[in-house]
Amino acid sequence: LAKTTQPISMDSYEGQEVNITCSHNNIATNDYITWYQQFPSQGPRFIIQGYKTKVTNEVASLFIPADRKSSTLSLPRVSLSDTAVYYCLVGRYNNNDMRFGAGTRLTVKP
Amino acid sequence: GAVVSQHPSWVICKSGTSVKIECRSLDFQATTMFWYRQFPKQSLMLMATSNEGSKATYEQGVEKDKFLINHASLTLSTLTVTSAHPEDSSFYICSARVGDNEQFFGPGTRLTVL
Repeated sequence: LAKTTQPISMDSYEGQEVNITCSHNNIATNDYITWYQQFPSQGPRFIIQGYKTKVTNEVASLFIPADRKSSTLSLPRVSLSDTAVYYCLVGRYNNNDMRFGAGTRLTVKP
Repeated sequence: GAVVSQHPSWVICKSGTSVKIECRSLDFQATTMFWYRQFPKQSLMLMATSNEGSKATYEQGVEKDKFLINHASLTLSTLTVTSAHPEDSSFYICSARVGDNEQFFGPGTRLTVL
């Protein structure tokens, strides 16, 4: 499966929009992209998943360009409680290979 | 979404003892469960993939005789850390697969080996 690359850390302020980009240059045709959020001493929590174009749910948007070599998680109007580590995963349907990259540590400041 | 539980949430044990961690899918059946280990300030590392009714598939470098995995039913997988040592102290997280592409994670188990 495609290896993912994300920024190690990002800082933001309350109320701002945060965009975290993940590179996955070797993504295959039947691969999908999933983003998770993890707080300290907790299991990862599903945020959003997509295959191509744009996906939006109640907490985030996921932008995937036509070549699918990257994806961007967009968090609108972050709050202090959004401080966490965000992981981008590339998965394949009916494939059990679910490996995490290094993740992005987002710190939201007042 | 689907709920995955783990028990215990934390455990402290003496070096040389064995510890069993349970992972349950509460409102769905999971043919595949995953076990991860996470050290402080690091990402999750996949240890093994557990399939109901068959032997687990271990990642390279993970000792199968030390980390015993049993997936006896569609709602329960267990990880037993045998003869635990201080270097096994870590945060152990399980997850369960739903359908073709959804994965739900448990809350994790903090293991401290003295």
